[in-house]
Amino acid sequence: NAGVTQTPKFRILKIGQSMTLQCTQDMNHNYMYWYRQDPGMGLKLIYYSVGAGITDKGEVPNGYNVSRSTTEDFPLRLELAAPSQTSVYFCASSSLGASRDTQYFGPGTRLTVL
Amino acid sequence: AQSVTQLGSHVSVSEGALVLLRCNYSSSVPPYLFWYVQYPNQGLQLLLKYTTGATLVKGINGFEAEFKKSETSFHLTKPSAHMSDAAEYFCAVGLSNFGNEKLTFGTGTRLTIIP
Repeated sequence: NAGVTQTPKFRILKIGQSMTLQCTQDMNHNYMYWYRQDPGMGLKLIYYSVGAGITDKGEVPNGYNVSRSTTEDFPLRLELAAPSQTSVYFCASSSLGASRDTQYFGPGTRLTVL
Repeated sequence: AQSVTQLGSHVSVSEGALVLLRCNYSSSVPPYLFWYVQYPNQGLQLLLKYTTGATLVKGINGFEAEFKKSETSFHLTKPSAHMSDAAEYFCAVGLSNFGNEKLTFGTGTRLTIIP
């Protein structure tokens, strides 16, 4: 049972480039989340999804886009990368909403924008 | 709306000593409370959670936390620290009203164990 997987593990982008961070879960969870983690700031919610075809903005959505065409996959798209998007990105999933249920986190993607 | 405050971004304790990590929350409705742990270069994993019922919650690796409504606190404790407890710990709060599916995390406390 793989749980939540994320690719790539590391990536360096140049300013203005675009990329997609991949996230897949094999637990048949309805809820999926994208967070970014910056030193001393904890985790900030970027986007979340309560099921296939349904997504909503979190606390810091600007500069990002998501889609949820299947239950398993929840990719995060960065358009026109900026240095402010240098961070560690975590994908998570849960059976019920994160406010009441255990979230399962992926190992993270460390992104640097130069 | 909800928020979380973790007092102390860094805490150091000696091996075998008591671990106490502080968390205070604010919430407009009865909260659900969580502690997550992050080991170096890994994602977060659940340590323990309070939803309803008993206010003293036991988690993995000997940790426990007590929900104190009057103090709006959910401090994390462990009687005897072990070297393997070195990690970053995050307190988080969620709201119990239906339709609110988001969790708010604190800024984290990095725990160092002194041999």
